[in-house]
Amino acid sequence: AQTVTQSQPEMSVQEAETVTLSCTYDTSESDYYLFWYKQPPSRQMILVIRQEAYKQQNATENRFSVNFQKAAKSFSLKISDSQLGDAAMYFCASMDSNYQLIWGAGTKLIIKP
Amino acid sequence: SQTIHQWPATLVQPVGSPLSLECTVEGTSNPNLYWYRQAAGRGLQLLFYSVGIGQISSEVPQNLSASRPQDRQFILSSKKLLLSDSGFYLCAWSGQGPIPTDTQYFGPGTRLTVL
Repeated sequence: AQTVTQSQPEMSVQEAETVTLSCTYDTSESDYYLFWYKQPPSRQMILVIRQEAYKQQNATENRFSVNFQKAAKSFSLKISDSQLGDAAMYFCASMDSNYQLIWGAGTKLIIKP
Repeated sequence: SQTIHQWPATLVQPVGSPLSLECTVEGTSNPNLYWYRQAAGRGLQLLFYSVGIGQISSEVPQNLSASRPQDRQFILSSKKLLLSDSGFYLCAWSGQGPIPTDTQYFGPGTRLTVL
């Protein structure tokens, strides 16, 4: 079965600095999708960024970018110029061959003003 | 654009009472629909998903059931709530048609407390 591991339960960063959240996954699929979702205190799950495994180019969405290392099965999220509104739980997820999302346990990101 | 609604936002129910949570999607047709539950400080657990009207797949045996009476409506129900049913319930949609696309979009959620 696929697994997704987020080894950092909590991370903190100074406002305007850069932070990287780690995620590793295990899959036997050759083609799959990876996601980062953000869950602020309101608890609504918000899509941050999406990566297609067959694409070598790392996905980027404004201040958010990923470092996708397919061979190492690593999918880290980099947040540049951190803002107070970035404070949230961040979940990494992969999609299996049945189109079901496999979720990591989450990383709580704290932004220090 | 597509939007997804859930209600109620918050619900407090006694043990043994029935439950009905509703999820509706606007701006798309024939979406795939999902119900998740999230315990406090934990990740998401998939409960049910549906690829069409009347088509429900259950991922976890439990005290809950789901129905899809209309194309863009997904309902989560229980005849008798248990304390363990407390949690945050999220509805999500993806794709169009029986072959799902890869990205799921979530509603605002319902916080359920069973006392």
